[in-house]
Amino acid sequence: EAQVTQNPRYLITVTGKKLTVTCSQNMNHEYMSWYRQDPGLGLRQIYYSMNVEVTDKGDVPEGYKVSRKEKRNFPLILESPSPNQTSLYFCASSPTLGSEQYFGPGTRLTVT
Amino acid sequence: DAKTTQPPSMDCAEGRAANLPCNHSTISGNEYVYWYRQIHSQGPQYIIHGLKNNETNEMASLIITEDRKSSTLILPHATLRDTAVYYCIVRVAGDNYGQNFVFGPGTRLSVLP
Repeated sequence: EAQVTQNPRYLITVTGKKLTVTCSQNMNHEYMSWYRQDPGLGLRQIYYSMNVEVTDKGDVPEGYKVSRKEKRNFPLILESPSPNQTSLYFCASSPTLGSEQYFGPGTRLTVT
Repeated sequence: DAKTTQPPSMDCAEGRAANLPCNHSTISGNEYVYWYRQIHSQGPQYIIHGLKNNETNEMASLIITEDRKSSTLILPHATLRDTAVYYCIVRVAGDNYGQNFVFGPGTRLSVLP
């Protein structure tokens, strides 16, 4: 089944403790991206990747890192999480830039 | 990318057609209209997209006005499972801009029994 998977789905952590949210797609898509969703602010793009080893900042990249060493994986790294990064995170992929995106199920992160 | 305007909320009776409007008066000639929806806190789901011709798939129909300044997403027989936030987005397809879709607040559709 074609899908985008994220892990973990739920995470509660403390300020400053490094964490990684994994994202994987099995559709051989070139384009992958990360969004965060907050009440009243909608979905905002954090980082995106147009292909392996090609990444760039979205609208809200501060406090996040990404890497794209393999086509299928696009992990989101929070080196030193802070409470303002408490949010619902979505990973997405698409065959090419601008084509329809397929979203993962989301990761709900709480930083205390 | 052009901005879009959608009503914040709409109701629709189950079994009836749901018509969701979207204004995009500053749309450029090479910008497509995309529709996504998000059910509760699930990941957004692609519905349909089009450039200037009307489009139909198994989920919905997209009607774009001749001047392309507005469009309507039609769910022909709405069910309770269609209750969701619907996003209308316009962007250039296949360009080299890395930033992808810009999601606005959307329209919260409530399908009522």
